[in-house]
Amino acid sequence: QKEVEQDPGPLSVPEGAIVSLNCTYSNSAFQYFMWYRQYSRKGPELLMYTYSSGNKEDGRFTAQVDKSSKYISLFIRDSQPSDSATYLCAMGTGFQKLVFGTGTRLLVSP
Amino acid sequence: SAVISQKPSRDICQRGTSLTIQCQVDSQVTMMFWYRQQPGQSLTLIATANQGSEATYESGFVIDKFPISRPNLTFSTLTVSNMSPEDSSIYLCSVTGEGYEQYFGPGTRLTVT
Repeated sequence: QKEVEQDPGPLSVPEGAIVSLNCTYSNSAFQYFMWYRQYSRKGPELLMYTYSSGNKEDGRFTAQVDKSSKYISLFIRDSQPSDSATYLCAMGTGFQKLVFGTGTRLLVSP
Repeated sequence: SAVISQKPSRDICQRGTSLTIQCQVDSQVTMMFWYRQQPGQSLTLIATANQGSEATYESGFVIDKFPISRPNLTFSTLTVSNMSPEDSSIYLCSVTGEGYEQYFGPGTRLTVT
């Protein structure tokens, strides 16, 4: 079993839809959680960074962490074609080594 | 967040040769990380590079194959030695922010023929 599981997609949605991206994990020691967006042929771009359980909102993006269920989510409201990219979840224990999911490819059609 | 650049952005190399990838940061950072992203795969940590000490390698990665230098707080290099087609990948460096989050460079796309 992988430490971090993420559906590879692709996930196809129409413009304006609410997108839900998810990761599950097995290591209960993970304390901090990140979401990255990666466009083709580019490096990962940090979108959201959360510590422990709870919600965090930044513009159209909301990150949720449920440590009891070992489940994290990223919601994108009013999705745009420019949101089409691969979204990677990542998490760590505090020793600065990150474990990444395999990424979910998102396609937002106009 | 730090601004990170990498050189080269891409290269095509022959089997058996070596390539050195450079990572430059616009501010001083204690820890730098090197990752590999193989086609269709996620990111895998190769090693952690601290200035003034030997790099720490993850399981499956060895210094002879991936020697790393960290001469100062803004610069690091990763060498991919004696390359084979299996080394074809994107190589990324990253640095930590104010917390445990990491910021990545644009990557070096390596193709080995």
